[in-house]
Amino acid sequence: TQLLEQSPQFLSIQEGENLTVYCNSSSVFSSLQWYRQEPGEGPVLLVTVVTGGEVKKLKRLTFQFGDARKDSSLHITAAQPGDTGLYLCAGASGSARQLTFGSGTQLTVLP
Amino acid sequence: DVKVTQSSRYLVKRTGEKVFLECVQDMDHENMFWYRQDPGLGLRLIYFSYDVKMKEKGDIPEGYSVSREKKERFSLILESASTNQTSMYLCASSLTPGQYEQYFGPGTRLTVT
Repeated sequence: TQLLEQSPQFLSIQEGENLTVYCNSSSVFSSLQWYRQEPGEGPVLLVTVVTGGEVKKLKRLTFQFGDARKDSSLHITAAQPGDTGLYLCAGASGSARQLTFGSGTQLTVLP
Repeated sequence: DVKVTQSSRYLVKRTGEKVFLECVQDMDHENMFWYRQDPGLGLRLIYFSYDVKMKEKGDIPEGYSVSREKKERFSLILESASTNQTSMYLCASSLTPGQYEQYFGPGTRLTVT
């Protein structure tokens, strides 16, 4: 079973601060996704990265896929209370139909 | 707009009861999934289905079964509910085997007393 480790598990910051969340594995993934889950809702896809070294930006969120396709990071610039939620990374590999999910990072942005 | 619905948001059942959780998607997706979500453990795959009447075990299938009689509907069955099955249950769907993006329902919080 492939594992995805996320760190930190919990993060509480003030509005306006920057932060980085990490997703690491010893396995290679063909693609990696990031989801955000708000209380009482299911996860919603933010981005998919496919190529090693790829960087994608979504407004104040920057996602990077490691060169070896074993790790990824999510950087948020000038965090806002609306960014509060559970951030999950998920990896896809080979011909497998299912994703492997990380344990999640619970982010709280205080006003 | 993509839509995955689950039959209940909250459910309370007694130990030993048979429990049915229903999931419906309106996107004509081939793949459907059932996860349970527990604090600190992320999402763990229970079962998935890639076609009508087809099913495959995920990482934690024990104590669960599934049914997929129609493409749009995927049911999770707890044959005899136990307290350790108290959890949030999430259903998801995806388009094809080559399309890994998953669309999730809002979840069912099941409490077994």
